[in-house]
Formats: sequence, structure tokens, C-alpha cells
Amino acid sequence: DVKVTQSSRYLVKRTGEKVFLECVQDMDHENMFWYRQDPGLGLRLIYFSYDVKMKEKGDIPEGYSVSREKKERFSLILESASTNQTSMYLCASRQGGADGYTFGSGTRLTVV
Amino acid sequence: KQEVTQIPAALSVPEGENLVLNCSFTDSAIYNLQWFRQDPGKGLTSLLLIQSSQREQTSGRLNASLDKSSGRSTLYIAASQPGDSATYLCAVGSNDYKLSFGAGTTVTVRA
Repeated sequence: DVKVTQSSRYLVKRTGEKVFLECVQDMDHENMFWYRQDPGLGLRLIYFSYDVKMKEKGDIPEGYSVSREKKERFSLILESASTNQTSMYLCASRQGGADGYTFGSGTRLTVV
Repeated sequence: KQEVTQIPAALSVPEGENLVLNCSFTDSAIYNLQWFRQDPGKGLTSLLLIQSSQREQTSGRLNASLDKSSGRSTLYIAASQPGDSATYLCAVGSNDYKLSFGAGTTVTVRA
């Protein structure tokens, strides 16, 4: 089975800190995605990458950046964390085309 | 823009009853449709993936149908168990790398 591993289940960071969320997949998938999930707003796409070093903005990229230096790893960066970035962050990957998505177990980030 | 709606928002049934979860979408030009399960505070677990050329998929007690022309999918869970209690999400895949999610149906199966 494909595994998508998010390095942290829970994180607590201070306002203004630079935060790195890491995601690693083990099945050589081309596409990787970062979503955030909030009550009442559902899942919203932040950024995605369809290939190494390639990235595209999703629906809510403001305040975030990403890095994909290797195929298996996709990092989400909060340049200066703010309280409105407190959320559940979910990483996903897929091979491409009509392939299904595999999600990680999520990172619950709290910014205080 | 693809809009995905799931009805009902919440469902409570006694153990053993069959579950019927509905998903509708506005744009029939889809690549596929995927059903996920999410337990509180956890990530998404894929249940079934239906390609646009397929009408249904089955896995154990789960069966999902797809009617592209009417923009509908239904997830059936037979003989529900308390362990089926979770939120079920419908997601539609399109040709722009994006997945459009419904808001989910929260299911409670009472023992």
C-alpha cells in the first residue's frame, strides 16, 4: 500500500515563527498536494506539485509556500505563522491522470 | 467551478441497518469520484475509487455507484456496525489536478 507520512501529528508554534510541515510518500507518485481542513469550510487546496521543482497555487496560497526538491518529499512552509493558520493540514499524493488520491494522517497545527 | 453536495449532513442509525449516503456534483466532466472515510482528528482513508467510465465499485460491505449524466453518486454500506461511525467524504477529480470535496456526511451507528 502507498504510504503518505506526515512528520508531526501535533504542533504548537508561536505567532511569527517560520513553520515547516513535511510530507513523504513512498510510491514514486508524480503529484503531491497540501490541503487544510477547517470546521464549516471543508478541505481547501493550498498548493500542489505535479513534478519535482514544479508547484502550482491552489485556492488559498496566501501566507504559504512549498518546496519539492525530491520526488518523494513535499514541504509546506508558513513564512510567518499567524493564529488564523491554526488548522488541520493534510498532505496527499497520486500517480497522475485518473489515479486516486492517498492522504496522510494529518498535522494538527496550533499557532498561539 | 465544480460544486459537490452531500446529503444528509448527519445520519444516525441502529446497528444492522443499511446506510445510504448521497453525493451530487454540478459538472459531469469528471475523471473519477472517490469516497473517503475520516475519523475524528485523523486523516482521510480511501474507501472506493470510481473511474468516469465505470458505473459502480464494490469492496466488502461497501458499494458505490456513479451516474455521470445526472451528476450523482451513492455510497451504500450494508449491515452497519458501530465501527462504521465516522464522517464520509465524497470527492470529484477533474482534469486540472484538483479534487473537489463535499462537506461530508457524519454517520453514527448506535449499538
